Amino acid sequence: KNEVEQSPQNLTAQEGEFITINCSYSVGISALHWLQQHPGGGIVSLFMLSSGKKKHGRLIATINIQEKHSSLHITASHPRDSAVYICAPKGGAQKLVFGQGTRLTINP
Amino acid sequence: NAGVTQTPKFRVLKTGQSMTLLCAQDMNHEYMYWYRQDPGMGLRLIHYSVGEGTTAKGEVPDGYNVSRLKKQNFLLGLESAAPSQTSVYFCASSPTRDTQYFGPGTRLTVL
Repeated sequence: KNEVEQSPQNLTAQEGEFITINCSYSVGISALHWLQQHPGGGIVSLFMLSSGKKKHGRLIATINIQEKHSSLHITASHPRDSAVYICAPKGGAQKLVFGQGTRLTINP
Repeated sequence: NAGVTQTPKFRVLKTGQSMTLLCAQDMNHEYMYWYRQDPGMGLRLIHYSVGEGTTAKGEVPDGYNVSRLKKQNFLLGLESAAPSQTSVYFCASSPTRDTQYFGPGTRLTVL
């Protein structure tokens, strides 16, 4: 069983829809990262959170440490949000454990 | 600032050849990391460094060596390349134990 499970693996939606990507993990963690990988391959860190909720523009990330679950939400989705979103819990020794990613496609 | 840069961007090797990938950062970050990304799998940590002159093994270190002689550079070496090392390699740096800044990646093919 993978230490990090993301769902769904692929998601296609229409512009304007509310998007939710889920991440469940089995390792004990101190924090969790959400990353965005652009179609060209570049990786950008979106959030790092250890409790509660964080908001940046149209992106919202939540985490429940007790339930070992995090969600990434995108409001008013746009085609430029099309990317792979990666969940990465941080365990011991500064090591991130990466999920396989959720491929999001937003159609105009 | 250039951020995190990787050299080269693409490379094709024959089995048994050696090469070195260079990661450079101009943000004075202490922590640096090398990852590989393969289809259908998440990023996996190869080696990492918590400061100049220090290195440590990650999840998949076999077949790779690293060096961090200068704080701004983290080198990843393949002494005898194998087809299983065909992958996209990402370098990242971090000022603390938090947000990591990723390089653009190096696409390596071993024939």
